[in-house]
Amino acid sequence: GAVVSQHPSRVICKSGTSVKIECRSLDFQATTMFWYRQFPKKSLMLMATSNEGSKATYEQGVEKDKFLINHASLTLSTLTVTSAHPEDSSFYICSAGGPVGVDEQFFGPGTRLTVL
Amino acid sequence: AQSVSQHNHHVILSEAASLELGCNYSYGGTVNLFWYVQYPGQHLQLLLKYFSGDPLVKGIKGFEAEFIKSKFSFNLRKPSVQWSDTAEYFCAVSLYSSASKIIFGSGTRLSIRP
Repeated sequence: GAVVSQHPSRVICKSGTSVKIECRSLDFQATTMFWYRQFPKKSLMLMATSNEGSKATYEQGVEKDKFLINHASLTLSTLTVTSAHPEDSSFYICSAGGPVGVDEQFFGPGTRLTVL
Repeated sequence: AQSVSQHNHHVILSEAASLELGCNYSYGGTVNLFWYVQYPGQHLQLLLKYFSGDPLVKGIKGFEAEFIKSKFSFNLRKPSVQWSDTAEYFCAVSLYSSASKIIFGSGTRLSIRP
């Protein structure tokens, strides 16, 4: 089946630093990837849609200068949390639109970000 | 805008009990419907999906869901739950295809008493 990985799985950083999270589709090409944020015991909130070779589309209320998304290739999208603050601590999950002929999104295992 | 409502926030059942989790969505056009499960400490997994055709959809692990268009509902069912079904369940909606964004419901936490 289609596999999506995320790196790192956990990251702890100091307030004010930037953190980059990678999302990779391991065995298929993904024109579109999505970034979600999940608060403890809450649902997934879509942050942005990442399209290969073009600018990401952000959901209302999500600061694009705060959460930088780059989708430089068909297998890699990155989310950079800039000048992180404790309120940015969360679980970040990516998904990728399935390979050709597979109409499904595949989710990564998530990245736990803790900002001290 | 699309939205998804899950009315049960936390459901507690005994093993072998029957399960039904409610899900309603708001969108007037054609939608794709999903149920995802998130076991404790694990990532999201697809239970089942409806794109078109038979409104009664069977998924993995004995789960099924019925799409009732007139009620904008997509309720999840299982005739006899097991302790291993303890997890968080999310109903979700997308438009058209896998390239469309998915909107998730708030989730229902299912706890099964052994």
